[in-house]
Amino acid sequence: GQQLNQSPQSMFIQEGEDVSMNCTSSSIFNTWLWYKQDPGEGPVLLIALYKAGELTSNGRLTAQFGITRKDSFLNISASIPSDVGIYFCAGQLNGGSQGNLIFGKGTKLSVKP
Amino acid sequence: ETGVTQSPTHLIKTRGQQVTLRCSSQSGHNTVSWYQQALGQGPQFIFQYYREEENGRGNFPPRFSGLQFPNYSSELNVNALELDDSALYLCASSQTGSSGRAETQYFGPGTRLLVL
Repeated sequence: GQQLNQSPQSMFIQEGEDVSMNCTSSSIFNTWLWYKQDPGEGPVLLIALYKAGELTSNGRLTAQFGITRKDSFLNISASIPSDVGIYFCAGQLNGGSQGNLIFGKGTKLSVKP
Repeated sequence: ETGVTQSPTHLIKTRGQQVTLRCSSQSGHNTVSWYQQALGQGPQFIFQYYREEENGRGNFPPRFSGLQFPNYSSELNVNALELDDSALYLCASSQTGSSGRAETQYFGPGTRLLVL
Protein backbone atom coordinates (compact mmCIF):
# COMPACT_ATOMS: atom_id res chain seq x y z
CA GLY A 1 0.00 0.00 0.00
CA GLN A 2 0.91 3.64 -0.33
CA GLN A 3 3.10 5.08 2.40
CA LEU A 4 4.80 8.37 2.97
CA ASN A 5 8.59 8.75 3.10
CA GLN A 6 9.46 9.41 6.72
CA SER A 7 12.98 10.04 8.01
CA PRO A 8 15.01 9.27 9.90
CA GLN A 9 13.98 5.69 10.50
CA SER A 10 15.38 5.82 14.04
CA MET A 11 17.14 8.25 16.35
CA PHE A 12 19.12 7.73 19.52
CA ILE A 13 19.66 10.97 21.41
CA GLN A 14 20.69 12.33 24.78
CA GLU A 15 18.08 13.76 27.15
CA GLY A 16 17.79 17.52 26.64
CA GLU A 17 18.65 17.44 22.93
CA ASP A 18 16.31 18.71 20.24
CA VAL A 19 14.89 16.31 17.67
CA SER A 20 13.73 16.85 14.11
CA MET A 21 11.96 14.41 11.79
CA ASN A 22 10.23 14.90 8.48
CA CYS A 23 7.85 13.37 6.03
CA THR A 24 7.54 13.75 2.25
CA SER A 25 5.05 12.60 -0.32
CA SER A 26 4.66 12.57 -4.08
CA SER A 27 0.99 13.50 -3.57
CA ILE A 28 -0.48 16.63 -2.04
CA PHE A 29 -2.58 16.46 1.10
CA ASN A 30 -5.07 18.84 2.68
CA THR A 31 -4.21 17.75 6.21
CA TRP A 32 -1.00 16.56 7.87
CA LEU A 33 -1.05 14.80 11.22
CA TRP A 34 1.60 13.62 13.64
CA TYR A 35 0.95 10.67 15.95
CA LYS A 36 3.01 8.96 18.67
CA GLN A 37 2.65 5.26 19.34
CA ASP A 38 3.87 3.49 22.47
CA PRO A 39 4.36 -0.29 22.53
CA GLY A 40 1.08 -2.21 22.64
CA GLU A 41 -1.03 0.89 22.15
CA GLY A 42 -2.74 2.74 19.34
CA PRO A 43 -1.37 5.97 17.85
CA VAL A 44 -2.09 9.12 19.86
CA LEU A 45 -2.61 12.39 18.01
CA LEU A 46 0.05 15.01 18.76
CA ILE A 47 -0.54 17.78 16.24
CA ALA A 48 -2.93 18.35 13.32
CA LEU A 49 -2.13 20.79 10.50
CA TYR A 50 -4.85 22.01 8.13
CA LYS A 51 -3.30 24.76 6.01
CA ALA A 52 -0.19 24.95 3.84
CA GLY A 53 2.53 26.89 5.65
CA GLU A 54 0.86 26.44 9.03
CA LEU A 55 3.21 26.19 12.01
CA THR A 56 1.63 24.71 15.15
CA SER A 57 3.00 24.00 18.61
CA ASN A 58 1.88 21.65 21.35
CA GLY A 59 4.13 22.14 24.36
CA ARG A 60 7.65 21.15 23.36
CA LEU A 61 6.43 19.89 19.98
CA THR A 62 6.29 22.05 16.86
CA ALA A 63 5.12 20.91 13.44
CA GLN A 64 4.80 22.60 10.07
CA PHE A 65 2.69 21.93 6.99
CA GLY A 66 4.91 22.43 3.95
CA ILE A 67 4.06 25.12 1.41
CA THR A 68 3.96 22.56 -1.41
CA ARG A 69 1.49 20.46 0.65
CA LYS A 70 3.77 17.49 0.00
CA ASP A 71 5.78 17.56 3.21
CA SER A 72 5.75 18.20 6.94
CA PHE A 73 8.22 18.21 9.79
CA LEU A 74 8.02 17.68 13.54
CA ASN A 75 10.46 19.13 16.06
CA ILE A 76 10.74 18.14 19.70
CA SER A 77 12.70 20.49 21.92
CA ALA A 78 14.56 19.55 25.09
CA SER A 79 13.74 15.83 24.85
CA ILE A 80 12.89 13.85 27.98
CA PRO A 81 12.80 10.07 28.57
CA SER A 82 9.00 9.87 28.14
CA ASP A 83 9.41 11.10 24.55
CA VAL A 84 10.55 7.57 23.70
CA GLY A 85 8.28 5.90 21.18
CA ILE A 86 7.49 5.71 17.49
CA TYR A 87 6.37 8.89 15.74
CA PHE A 88 4.22 8.62 12.63
CA CYS A 89 3.29 11.27 10.12
CA ALA A 90 0.02 10.87 8.24
CA GLY A 91 -1.47 12.72 5.31
CA GLN A 92 -5.16 13.04 4.63
CA LEU A 93 -7.37 14.25 1.83
CA ASN A 94 -10.79 15.35 2.95
CA GLY A 95 -14.16 13.80 2.47
CA GLY A 96 -15.58 10.44 1.50
CA SER A 97 -13.16 7.76 0.46
CA GLN A 98 -10.38 10.32 0.56
CA GLY A 99 -10.80 10.68 4.30
CA ASN A 100 -8.46 7.81 5.02
CA LEU A 101 -5.00 8.44 6.43
CA ILE A 102 -1.80 7.57 4.58
CA PHE A 103 0.97 6.86 7.10
CA GLY A 104 4.73 6.97 7.04
CA LYS A 105 6.75 4.01 8.33
CA GLY A 106 7.57 5.83 11.54
CA THR A 107 10.59 7.28 13.33
CA LYS A 108 11.68 5.33 16.39
CA LEU A 109 13.00 7.69 19.05
CA SER A 110 15.23 6.53 21.89
CA VAL A 111 16.28 8.98 24.62
CA LYS A 112 19.24 8.31 26.88
CA PRO A 113 18.87 9.87 30.35
CA GLU B 1 -7.40 8.19 26.48
CA THR B 2 -9.36 8.66 23.27
CA GLY B 3 -12.56 6.95 24.35
CA VAL B 4 -12.25 4.46 21.50
CA THR B 5 -12.37 0.88 22.73
CA GLN B 6 -11.58 -2.35 20.93
CA SER B 7 -12.11 -6.00 21.75
CA PRO B 8 -10.54 -8.43 22.14
CA THR B 9 -7.07 -7.12 22.97
CA HIS B 10 -5.34 -10.26 21.70
CA LEU B 11 -6.44 -13.18 19.56
CA ILE B 12 -4.83 -16.33 18.19
CA LYS B 13 -6.36 -18.09 15.18
CA THR B 14 -5.27 -20.73 12.72
CA ARG B 15 -5.04 -20.40 8.96
CA GLY B 16 -8.41 -20.68 7.23
CA GLN B 17 -10.45 -19.60 10.24
CA GLN B 18 -12.63 -16.52 10.46
CA VAL B 19 -12.33 -13.67 12.97
CA THR B 20 -14.50 -10.77 14.14
CA LEU B 21 -13.00 -7.71 15.79
CA ARG B 22 -15.07 -5.02 17.50
CA CYS B 23 -14.77 -1.29 17.99
CA SER B 24 -16.77 1.26 19.96
CA SER B 25 -16.32 4.79 18.73
CA GLN B 26 -15.80 7.90 20.81
CA SER B 27 -18.98 9.56 22.00
CA GLY B 28 -20.30 11.95 19.36
CA HIS B 29 -18.38 10.35 16.49
CA ASN B 30 -20.26 8.85 13.55
CA THR B 31 -17.43 7.44 11.45
CA VAL B 32 -15.19 4.45 12.03
CA SER B 33 -12.07 3.60 10.04
CA TRP B 34 -10.11 0.36 10.27
CA TYR B 35 -6.37 0.00 9.76
CA GLN B 36 -3.95 -2.94 9.65
CA GLN B 37 -0.51 -2.39 11.15
CA ALA B 38 2.12 -5.03 10.42
CA LEU B 39 5.18 -5.19 12.65
CA GLY B 40 7.56 -2.33 11.95
CA GLN B 41 5.18 -0.58 9.56
CA GLY B 42 2.76 2.29 9.65
CA PRO B 43 -0.97 1.56 9.71
CA GLN B 44 -2.57 0.71 6.35
CA PHE B 45 -6.16 1.80 5.62
CA ILE B 46 -8.63 -1.09 5.23
CA PHE B 47 -11.99 0.70 4.99
CA GLN B 48 -14.19 3.33 6.55
CA TYR B 49 -17.82 3.19 7.66
CA TYR B 50 -20.20 6.15 7.80
CA ARG B 51 -23.97 5.97 8.18
CA GLU B 52 -23.72 2.18 8.35
CA GLU B 53 -22.23 1.95 4.87
CA GLU B 54 -18.73 1.42 3.54
CA ASN B 55 -17.38 4.85 2.67
CA GLY B 56 -14.04 4.08 1.10
CA ARG B 57 -11.76 1.07 0.90
CA GLY B 58 -8.03 0.49 0.72
CA ASN B 59 -6.18 -2.22 -1.14
CA PHE B 60 -7.56 -5.19 0.80
CA PRO B 61 -9.33 -8.27 -0.63
CA PRO B 62 -13.08 -8.90 -0.22
CA ARG B 63 -12.48 -11.40 2.58
CA PHE B 64 -12.01 -8.28 4.72
CA SER B 65 -15.51 -6.98 5.43
CA GLY B 66 -17.15 -4.79 7.99
CA LEU B 67 -20.31 -3.51 9.58
CA GLN B 68 -21.37 -0.37 11.34
CA PHE B 69 -24.31 -0.36 13.74
CA PRO B 70 -26.85 2.39 14.53
CA ASN B 71 -24.88 3.29 17.66
CA TYR B 72 -21.84 3.84 15.36
CA SER B 73 -19.90 0.88 16.76
CA SER B 74 -18.28 -1.32 14.15
CA GLU B 75 -17.02 -4.81 13.38
CA LEU B 76 -14.19 -5.98 11.17
CA ASN B 77 -14.55 -9.52 9.80
CA VAL B 78 -11.78 -11.44 8.13
CA ASN B 79 -12.53 -14.75 6.42
CA ALA B 80 -10.12 -17.48 5.35
CA LEU B 81 -7.32 -16.17 7.52
CA GLU B 82 -3.79 -16.22 6.10
CA LEU B 83 -0.48 -16.08 7.96
CA ASP B 84 0.14 -12.56 6.60
CA ASP B 85 -3.02 -11.35 8.32
CA SER B 86 -1.08 -11.40 11.60
CA ALA B 87 -0.97 -7.75 12.65
CA LEU B 88 -2.30 -5.09 14.99
CA TYR B 89 -5.77 -4.03 13.87
CA LEU B 90 -6.65 -0.48 14.76
CA CYS B 91 -9.93 1.31 14.59
CA ALA B 92 -10.22 5.08 14.57
CA SER B 93 -13.32 7.15 15.14
CA SER B 94 -14.06 10.59 13.79
CA GLN B 95 -16.92 12.94 13.05
CA THR B 96 -18.01 13.48 9.47
CA GLY B 97 -20.05 16.64 9.01
CA SER B 98 -22.85 17.39 6.55
CA SER B 99 -20.25 18.67 4.08
CA GLY B 100 -18.69 15.23 3.99
CA ARG B 101 -15.44 16.54 5.42
CA ALA B 102 -13.70 13.90 7.51
CA GLU B 103 -12.47 15.28 10.82
CA THR B 104 -9.48 14.18 12.89
CA GLN B 105 -9.29 10.45 13.61
CA TYR B 106 -8.69 9.13 17.13
CA PHE B 107 -7.37 5.60 17.52
CA GLY B 108 -8.24 2.78 19.86
CA PRO B 109 -5.59 0.55 21.47
CA GLY B 110 -5.89 -2.12 18.78
CA THR B 111 -6.42 -5.87 18.63
CA ARG B 112 -3.32 -7.95 18.09
CA LEU B 113 -4.13 -10.93 15.85
CA LEU B 114 -1.77 -13.86 15.45
CA VAL B 115 -2.52 -16.40 12.72
CA LEU B 116 -0.73 -19.75 13.05
